[in-house]
Amino acid sequence: QITLKESGPTLVKPTQTLTLTCTFSGFSLRTSGVGVGWIRQPPGKALEWLAVVYWDDDKRYSPSLKDRVTITKDTSKNQVVLIMTNMDPVDTATYFCAHRLNNGSYFAVWGQGTLVTVSS
Amino acid sequence: QTVVTQEPSFSVSPGGTVTLTCALSSGSVSPSYYPSWYQQTPGQAPRTLIYSTNIRSSGVPDRFSGSILGNKAALTIAGAQADDESDYYCALYMGSVISVFGGGTKLTVL
Repeated sequence: QITLKESGPTLVKPTQTLTLTCTFSGFSLRTSGVGVGWIRQPPGKALEWLAVVYWDDDKRYSPSLKDRVTITKDTSKNQVVLIMTNMDPVDTATYFCAHRLNNGSYFAVWGQGTLVTVSS
Repeated sequence: QTVVTQEPSFSVSPGGTVTLTCALSSGSVSPSYYPSWYQQTPGQAPRTLIYSTNIRSSGVPDRFSGSILGNKAALTIAGAQADDESDYYCALYMGSVISVFGGGTKLTVL
């Protein structure tokens, strides 16, 4: 059974850097075709894809956020980390990590999400 | 910038059939965009329904089906039930831009 869980601060101040960790089980990021991505959802709004890292360390970023976002993986710990700099109140959202499969190019299993509020 | 468009809202009667669509701001949706569909109820994480246009994710009832209709991706729900009342999001694969989500459709069953 594949599970993912997001962890990190629930409140950050404007201009600060956000670091979120996705800890997963039931699959390996050493397996060809597998990735982990981050998606966010502001309150009452739509989903927005942020970044993905694949088994071969290929990393892709949303064009609108690529200057602020970094994604890394620690295969030995089964963790993927998202770093977002210069946080702003408009970045207030629930942040989800999800298991990505290249075969079908989709997010197969989602974490429960974590709400991050940006406020002074 | 490419925009993916969905109907903001839709309603269906219990037992009825509804088709939600997913369009591109420019151009047609084809299987090469690997359309996927996700269901989300308030306060919950999305649940994967359909991927690669028409493949149901594990455990998804066959009341849910995906297709290409004209120049759009489509999600059809047959025999709608009360617990189908959710938000539905499509996503398209854009190559280097891995996923672009639509704005979502709020489905009401009444």
